Amino acid sequence: AQSVSQHNHHVILSEAASLELGCNYSYGGTVNLFWYVQYPGQHLQLLLKYFSGDPLVKGIKGFEAEFIKSKFSFNLRKPSVQWSDTAEYFCAVISYSSASKIIFGSGTRLSIRP
Amino acid sequence: NAGVTQTPKFRILKIGQSMTLQCTQDMNHNYMYWYRQDPGMGLKLIYYSVGAGITDKGEVPNGYNVSRSTTEDFPLRLELAAPSQTSVYFCATFGQGETEAFFGQGTRLTVV
Repeated sequence: AQSVSQHNHHVILSEAASLELGCNYSYGGTVNLFWYVQYPGQHLQLLLKYFSGDPLVKGIKGFEAEFIKSKFSFNLRKPSVQWSDTAEYFCAVISYSSASKIIFGSGTRLSIRP
Repeated sequence: NAGVTQTPKFRILKIGQSMTLQCTQDMNHNYMYWYRQDPGMGLKLIYYSVGAGITDKGEVPNGYNVSRSTTEDFPLRLELAAPSQTSVYFCATFGQGETEAFFGQGTRLTVV
């Protein structure tokens, strides 16, 4: 079955530490990939997206992600996290071979120790 | 341009009651989606639509129904509310030529 996997359910880091959150998907064909962030009590906001071209994409707030097609992965990175990055992060995939359904991973909760 | 509007924002239902969650968009997007968000489970796709008159089941459709009579509206109906339907519900849209989905503010539903 088509799916999106985020293996890290809860990550705890200290400020200034580097971050990498994993995302793997199981769709074939053409896909577009997203990372969304949800701050406590708020709705989802787009962090970054990959549609085509350079597989290393940069988003808002210093986040970046790398699309590795051979590994079906789209990992999110940030070199130095801040306390304000405390939030839940969701990877999502839209597959045009799957009637344009947008499927989300289960999310990774990120806690930053000040 | 309001984007995606969901109503109501909060609702408490008793077991067995029914209700409709409303979703309206003014962006002329063909694709619309309903998700539920539960702690630790991410967002699960309930139903989706690729255009007026066309709907299909997502990952967790049981207990829900949808209709898409116009491009703008995509209501989600709960016929017999159950405690397992306590969740936060999000509506989203995606348009051809767009590069991101747009989300409503969510509806927090509690079934008691």
